[in-house]
Amino acid sequence: NAGVTQTPKFRVLKTGQSMTLLCAQDMNHEYMYWYRQDPGMGLRLIHYSVGEGTTAKGEVPDGYNVSRLKKQNFLLGLESAAPSQTSVYFCASSPQATGSNGYTFGSGTRLTVV
Amino acid sequence: DAKTTQPPSMDCAEGRAANLPCNHSTISGNEYVYWYRQIHSQGPQYIIHGLKNNETNEMASLIITEDRKSSTLILPHATLRDTAVYYCIVRVSGGYQKVTFGTGTKLQVIP
Repeated sequence: NAGVTQTPKFRVLKTGQSMTLLCAQDMNHEYMYWYRQDPGMGLRLIHYSVGEGTTAKGEVPDGYNVSRLKKQNFLLGLESAAPSQTSVYFCASSPQATGSNGYTFGSGTRLTVV
Repeated sequence: DAKTTQPPSMDCAEGRAANLPCNHSTISGNEYVYWYRQIHSQGPQYIIHGLKNNETNEMASLIITEDRKSSTLILPHATLRDTAVYYCIVRVSGGYQKVTFGTGTKLQVIP
């Protein structure tokens, strides 16, 4: 049982380049999230999804787009990367059912934009 | 959204109990208290959660006050591997809820 898998684990981009971060979960969770974490700061919610085909903005959505075409996958896109998007990105999922353990997080993607 | 307040850092001697406090004075009746920890730059890991009764599992114990406005996570015998940032959040146990992860408590276990 892999849980939440993020790819890639590391990436260096040049300013203006684009890329897609992939998150995959095998727990049949309804909800999926993308967070970013900067040094000395907590996790900030970028976008989230409450089900296949749905997405919504979180606290810091500017400069990012997301898609959830399949229930198990949640993609985060950077159309034109900026140095301010240098961060560690975490994907998480959570189930609809009550009594759950809440969030399951991936191991993160460390992105550097130069 | 209920928010939480935690001390920014704590130290604990190896082998002693680590008691990490959390205030959540605006918690709603259907919201649970969840604890996660983040070791180095790994993804946060679930530790324990509870509604109003004290809870214990193989990792830790959770003590929730009777008025539910605060809680304490207890690591009974802290080891060096418990050095991490510990996050306390409140949320409903199922479904979607917008949750704010603060900066947590940085626990340093000292040899």
